Amino acid sequence: GESVGLHLPTLSVQEGDNSIINCAYSNSASDYFIWYKQESGKGPQFIIDIRSNMDKRQGQRVTVLLNKTVKHLSLQIAATQPGDSAVYFCAETLNTGGFKTIFGAGTRLFVKA
Amino acid sequence: NAGVTQTPKFQVLKTGQSMTLQCAQDMNHEYMSWYRQDPGMGLRLIHYSVGAGITDQGEVPNGYNVSRSTTEDFPLRLLSAAPSQTSVYFCASSYPTGGEGEQFFGPGTRLTVL
Repeated sequence: GESVGLHLPTLSVQEGDNSIINCAYSNSASDYFIWYKQESGKGPQFIIDIRSNMDKRQGQRVTVLLNKTVKHLSLQIAATQPGDSAVYFCAETLNTGGFKTIFGAGTRLFVKA
Repeated sequence: NAGVTQTPKFQVLKTGQSMTLQCAQDMNHEYMSWYRQDPGMGLRLIHYSVGAGITDQGEVPNGYNVSRSTTEDFPLRLLSAAPSQTSVYFCASSYPTGGEGEQFFGPGTRLTVL
């Protein structure tokens, strides 16, 4: 498959460890945030979302934390597995008369077996 | 359901040529959008639509046109291709029109403009 994100920041973790991927978003008016996972040659896949009136949300093996004071979003993956290796994007949605979803630059997660 | 489908998967154009990238979804989603993804960058929103007959510009709309005559289809037209439009193009759809909810992405179209 094609390779995207050749120059992305990379996080390398050992299988079984927890991973934390960070994201700084740009607009304090954003009211909805999403994390996506993208494997090579595929489109992004939804992982978890959070509204701006929350500061934490948990899914299966994943947790998203939102700190609006510093405009920071993080994705925590518990017990990271080789199948988690991918590029991870945070995205924010803001209403500027229309609804626009803006993606961050992405982080490549590499899981060592 | 096929989900979101895109055609073609690959395309090579010469500078100045025009073409249409096709996108269709069978989930009855109101919200559809087009993104481009360049190496080392995230996805950038080109155009989006909150329903049939309604379209709006995203972050990088110049050089692209869209229309939404049906709920299912959202084609992206390149009017006069330029090398700067070499990229991978993704179409996405979601049910809520308020910018919330999971967006389902197609497999992408890799476009090269010579």
